[in-house]
Amino acid sequence: QQQVKQSPQSLIVQKGGISIINCAYENTAFDYFPWYQQFPGKGPALLIAIRPDVSEKKEGRFTISFNKSAKQFSLHIMDSQPGDSATYFCAASRKQGAQKLVFGQGTRLTINP
Amino acid sequence: GAVVSQHPSRVICKSGTSVKIECRSLDFQATTMFWYRQFPKQSLMLMATSNEGSKATYEQGVEKDKFLINHASLTLSTLTVTSAHPEDSSFYICSAQNSVPYNEQFFGPGTRLTVL
Repeated sequence: QQQVKQSPQSLIVQKGGISIINCAYENTAFDYFPWYQQFPGKGPALLIAIRPDVSEKKEGRFTISFNKSAKQFSLHIMDSQPGDSATYFCAASRKQGAQKLVFGQGTRLTINP
Repeated sequence: GAVVSQHPSRVICKSGTSVKIECRSLDFQATTMFWYRQFPKQSLMLMATSNEGSKATYEQGVEKDKFLINHASLTLSTLTVTSAHPEDSSFYICSAQNSVPYNEQFFGPGTRLTVL
């Protein structure tokens, strides 16, 4: 019940295309869903996050779509660029208190020029 | 804002020695910090939750006597790998949680530990 399942494991997209990464969770107590971007040898960086009171959040080329009834959320990267090539992790937690993040397995994204 | 630093960025040590890794929140106070371990091409594995002024809470299977955590101030937590062995070689990452406006976690750049 604590798992967050992420897919696909790897993804190759042409420059200018849309990259889509999906995550699903079981624990209905989760109410904070961040996405992290990690480059090789670096720590994860918070990219964008959403709370279940909204179904979509957009920041620049990055959009999170959230489906509370299906317990799924996804990251869309519009106009994907080679610089977006990285590993992306979804996560979930409860926003109250010092709650642990439960991470997805990660998606290695490659944007071909 | 929300910058977390780690020191050192990489360390190589001999088997049997102890290594200390520092994690600092530079521009906010963090009552809670987390320590993760990451193996190549894998997700982050939470090792322990560190609360300022109290004992750390370790995840199941993590040896608390081997991975000593101290969170002495609102901006500093340390992880000491005691009597390190080659199997402890990994990428160690800390995160610090802010409380205002939300409990968001911000990650440090990581420390690459190699035990010879």
